[in-house]
Amino acid sequence: DAKTTQPPSMDCAEGRAANLPCNHSTISGNEYVYWYRQIHSQGPQYIIHGLKNNETNEMASLIITEDRKSSTLILPHATLRDTAVYYCIVRAHNDMRFGAGTRLTVKP
Amino acid sequence: GAGVSQSPSNKVTEKGKDVELRCDPISGHTALYWYRQSLGQGLEFLIYFQGNSAPDKSGLPSDRFSAERTGGSVSTLTIQRTQQEDSAVYLCASSLSNRGDGYTFGSGTRLTVV
Repeated sequence: DAKTTQPPSMDCAEGRAANLPCNHSTISGNEYVYWYRQIHSQGPQYIIHGLKNNETNEMASLIITEDRKSSTLILPHATLRDTAVYYCIVRAHNDMRFGAGTRLTVKP
Repeated sequence: GAGVSQSPSNKVTEKGKDVELRCDPISGHTALYWYRQSLGQGLEFLIYFQGNSAPDKSGLPSDRFSAERTGGSVSTLTIQRTQQEDSAVYLCASSLSNRGDGYTFGSGTRLTVV
């Protein structure tokens, strides 16, 4: 029973914004949206998380729709090093389960 | 230490042998997860420890798999009578109790069963 749905793969041109969507239509009121990424042969790396408001940090921005049923991770200026699998996770406290994620390929 | 440490980084074992994989979490982190990742696949949850609570073992694939966490710190994942399908990267993560942004992963142990 997957809590999130993501496209399996996406391409992005180097220097352009990468917009990665995630659907979480069954999200409940106390569940946060988290994003992690996994670069080849490394462990997953935390990117950002949010509850209701949009969030921004040095890595990315997270846009959550008003009904909270979907969100978008934005990498404003993608580089080749951003090529990775990006995971969107919905969780309340400590039940962190990963789906298949989106394989983002940044192309020169 | 500064990060989550896993050992060994690589392990090759013969089918039928037992193996132990070790995870040293970040000091003070009360939550500890084990995952495994087969080649080209996503992360599969195995087990979760939180403080002194009973662990969540719902992800363990068979009774050949077990894990313990001594003193709320170091954790050991044990696989008995290894099979070739156990070959994967085993990843450990730790966190402060209720902050998702505190989940730090180790580099994993690559287990190969021959």
